[in-house]
Amino acid sequence: QSALTQPASVSGSPGQSITISCTGTSSDVGSYNLVSWYQQHPGKAPKLIIYEGSKRPSGVSNRFSGSKSGNTASLTISGLQAEDEADYYCCSYTSSNTWVFGGGTKLTVL
Amino acid sequence: QLQLQESGPGLVKPSETLSLTCSVSGGSISSRTSYWGWIRQPPGKGLEWIGSIYYSGSTYYNPSLKSRVTISVDTSKNQFSLKLSSVTAADTAVYYCASPAVAGNLHFDHWGQGTLVTVSS
Repeated sequence: QSALTQPASVSGSPGQSITISCTGTSSDVGSYNLVSWYQQHPGKAPKLIIYEGSKRPSGVSNRFSGSKSGNTASLTISGLQAEDEADYYCCSYTSSNTWVFGGGTKLTVL
Repeated sequence: QLQLQESGPGLVKPSETLSLTCSVSGGSISSRTSYWGWIRQPPGKGLEWIGSIYYSGSTYYNPSLKSRVTISVDTSKNQFSLKLSSVTAADTAVYYCASPAVAGNLHFDHWGQGTLVTVSS
């Protein structure tokens, strides 16, 4: 299985919105609404911020939102804050009963 | 609140077998119809799913690692384990165990803190 495709980096100024894309295939992202997104700060374990495409776990800011169209999922962060600067990973359950991660996107808050 | 903790040697010699254990507290592995997973992250690189084990013992592995990976569960100790054979320097990584918060979910709410395993002679 191939890793999902994410942009290596994105950037935005405080208060702005950014979107990170995650492109897979009809065997993963396109198969189910089972894409999750993780935020990872340096030296820390990943933290779940979106699951099942667009749902937020309790305690996660509503500035984070997820969506999907075809084989591409997207994470949007609105009202960028300095604390949002981190690496972001998408992950999808696949039709082979496996999981696959994206390569990760480094978000820089200017 | 489920808590996971990885343990095992931090240094493994090339060609040997890497062995890690994930201890679960705050819930019983055998009573949760969950997938318990292992994920790794080489230094400076992205996350890679290694494999998962269902509470019943069924296993699912990353095709690229399948020939070298074994994941097992010990319900009496409330632990699940990872073995990766014939390791090379490319297997140097932080290894995480992870699980969903709600049984049956297919994403990873809970993560261990991660343990760095270095492959070197």
